[in-house]
Amino acid sequence: DAKTTQPNSMESNEEEPVHLPCNHSTISGTDYIHWYRQLPSQGPEYVIHGLTSNVNNRMASLAIAEDRKSSTLILHRATLRDAAVYYCILRGYNQGGKLIFGQGTELSVKP
Amino acid sequence: NAGVTQTPKFQVLKTGQSMTLQCAQDMNHEYMSWYRQDPGMGLRLIHYSVGAGITDQGEVPNGYNVSRSTTEDFPLRLLSAAPSQTSVYFCASSPPGTGNTIYFGEGSWLTVV
Repeated sequence: DAKTTQPNSMESNEEEPVHLPCNHSTISGTDYIHWYRQLPSQGPEYVIHGLTSNVNNRMASLAIAEDRKSSTLILHRATLRDAAVYYCILRGYNQGGKLIFGQGTELSVKP
Repeated sequence: NAGVTQTPKFQVLKTGQSMTLQCAQDMNHEYMSWYRQDPGMGLRLIHYSVGAGITDQGEVPNGYNVSRSTTEDFPLRLLSAAPSQTSVYFCASSPPGTGNTIYFGEGSWLTVV
């Protein structure tokens, strides 16, 4: 199964942008890059996903490297409610479409 | 539209007991899966299903059984509970295709004593 590597933790100040990196050097051509986040005592929540091009939605932006071996989740203005564990996951057809979670990055936001 | 519904939310079992965690979704999703999350860890895939009548094992299937007789329901059975199965369990569903969002339930907290 394709693996992702993320920093264990990151800190941000409130209302500043946050860039959460993810390395996925073994990504295959059909793997989508998904980002989910998990707030304490809750189930994971969808953030964003993409295949090759950069993506934007109301929650965040996803910047995908040209060789697709890395990506960055961008929160444009961090709020205290964004404090969570963020998971970068590859989802591919050769895995039956299943999601394999890594350890994720724990983001803390300081007021 | 309730999304993904898990029951029970909390359960305490004695070692050796069996029980079923229920998962239902009302979005007509073909793909459903079960994960467990131990303290301080990421989610690990137990079993998954790509449609009614089709199931397969994930990373940590031992001690668990699943079946998928309908599109809506995907129950997880603990055959003989062990303390090592103390965990939070999450059910998830998704339309087919790797470019689709996966929706998670709120979790079931299970303690085996």
